[in-house]
Amino acid sequence: DVKVTQSSRYLVKRTGEKVFLECVQDMDHENMFWYRQDPGLGLRLIYFSYDVKMKEKGDIPEGYSVSREKKERFSLILESASTNQTSMYLCASSLGGGQRGEQYFGPGTRLTVT
Amino acid sequence: AQSVSQHNHHVILSEAASLELGCNYSYGGTVNLFWYVQYPGQHLQLLLKYFSGDPLVKGIKGFEAEFIKSKFSFNLRKPSVQWSDTAEYFCAVNAYSSASKIIFGSGTRLSIRP
Repeated sequence: DVKVTQSSRYLVKRTGEKVFLECVQDMDHENMFWYRQDPGLGLRLIYFSYDVKMKEKGDIPEGYSVSREKKERFSLILESASTNQTSMYLCASSLGGGQRGEQYFGPGTRLTVT
Repeated sequence: AQSVSQHNHHVILSEAASLELGCNYSYGGTVNLFWYVQYPGQHLQLLLKYFSGDPLVKGIKGFEAEFIKSKFSFNLRKPSVQWSDTAEYFCAVNAYSSASKIIFGSGTRLSIRP
C-alpha cells in the first residue's frame, strides 16, 4: 500500500511565524501535491512537483513556497503565516502516465494561525 | 478554465435509501474521472475511477458511477446506503492536457440517519 505521511496532524502557530509542513511518500511516485481544504471550497491546489527540484504553481500559491530536494519528500513553507492560512493542508502523491490523476493522500495537517 | 460542479452540498438520507450524487465538469477533451471519499476523522481515499472503456465503473463498498460523455457528467450511485456511508464525497477530473493535475469539486456531505 502507498503510504503518504505528514509531519504533524495539528499545528498552532502565531501570525508572522515561518511554518514548515513536511510530506513523505514511500512508493517512488514522481508527482507530489499540496492542497488546502476548506469547508464548501473542496480541495484547492497550492503547488505541485513532477520531479526533484521541480515545482509548479497551482491555483492558490500566494503566501506559500515549496521544496523538493529528494523524490520522496515535498515540503510546504509558509514564509510568514497569516490568520487566513488557517486551514487543513493535504499532501498527495501520484504516478504519471496512464494512471495520471489517481492520487494518494496523507492524513492532513490542521494548521491554526493565531 | 476547467471546473467541476457538485450540485448537492449536503444530502441527508435514511438507511437503505438509494443515493445519487451529481457531478459535472467543464472540459471538452479526454478526461480521467474520480470519486474520492473522506470518512469522519480519516484521510481522503479513492472510491472509484474511470480511465477508459466501460462507462459504468464499480468501486469499493457497493458504489458505482456512470460516465456520460455527452452530458459531461460522472454521477455517483449506490442502491442502498448504510450508516457507515456517512462521509464527504468529492468528484475530481484530470484533463489530459493538465498532465497529472486534478480539479476537485466542492464536495457533498452525506449524512445517513440510522
